[in-house]
Amino acid sequence: DTEVTQTPKHLVMGMTNKKSLKCEQHMGHRAMYWYKQKAKKPPELMFVYSYEKLSINESVPSRFSPECPNSSLLNLHLHALQPEDSALYLCASSQTGQGGDGYTFGSGTRLTVV
Amino acid sequence: AQSVTQLDSQVPVFEEAPVELRCNYSSSVSVYLFWYVQYPNQGLQLLLKYLSGSTLVESINGFEAEFNKSQTSFHLRKPSVHISDTAEYFCAVSPLGGATNKLIFGTGTLLAVQP
Repeated sequence: DTEVTQTPKHLVMGMTNKKSLKCEQHMGHRAMYWYKQKAKKPPELMFVYSYEKLSINESVPSRFSPECPNSSLLNLHLHALQPEDSALYLCASSQTGQGGDGYTFGSGTRLTVV
Repeated sequence: AQSVTQLDSQVPVFEEAPVELRCNYSSSVSVYLFWYVQYPNQGLQLLLKYLSGSTLVESINGFEAEFNKSQTSFHLRKPSVHISDTAEYFCAVSPLGGATNKLIFGTGTLLAVQP
């Protein structure tokens, strides 16, 4: 298995809703990442988990809450989002988390906040 | 800190013509270099990477990129493009020796191949 699987592919949520994005990989990768990508823009790093521990939080608002239950799973819990949070949310993984590893990206969850 | 510059936001080219997508970077430390491709409504796919050794790296689908340390560049080339190469291309860097792999992306170049 050489894929990163993200669910759901599309999500529409109201500003008072709570929802979760899920990401799964079975490549034995020990680093996992959440990126946010707005239209016509590059991906922006949100969080990095290395060996199931949060190692980087790029000053992301607390309405985004990451969770790494085990080495294969990564969740992003969403609460009280704003319309400007609408974007493509990309999950990625890499082998060790060291520089030089290429990332494997999922196909993303397209989130619309109404 | 690192930054990546892709000066061309869009590159139109006719099918079977050669193409070069430019990438320059700035960093106070040595970096690894990557090119990723993003097809419409999809995630990013690793196209090729430079870690060390030969400065010319190739992908399986005919793209190549050359690392030029003196010019801090990592331009992507293909001698003959196909319609199916139409996509957004992102150059990215990751610092050597960092405790955690942090990929910094350029703003992307849309390669638009016309028949």
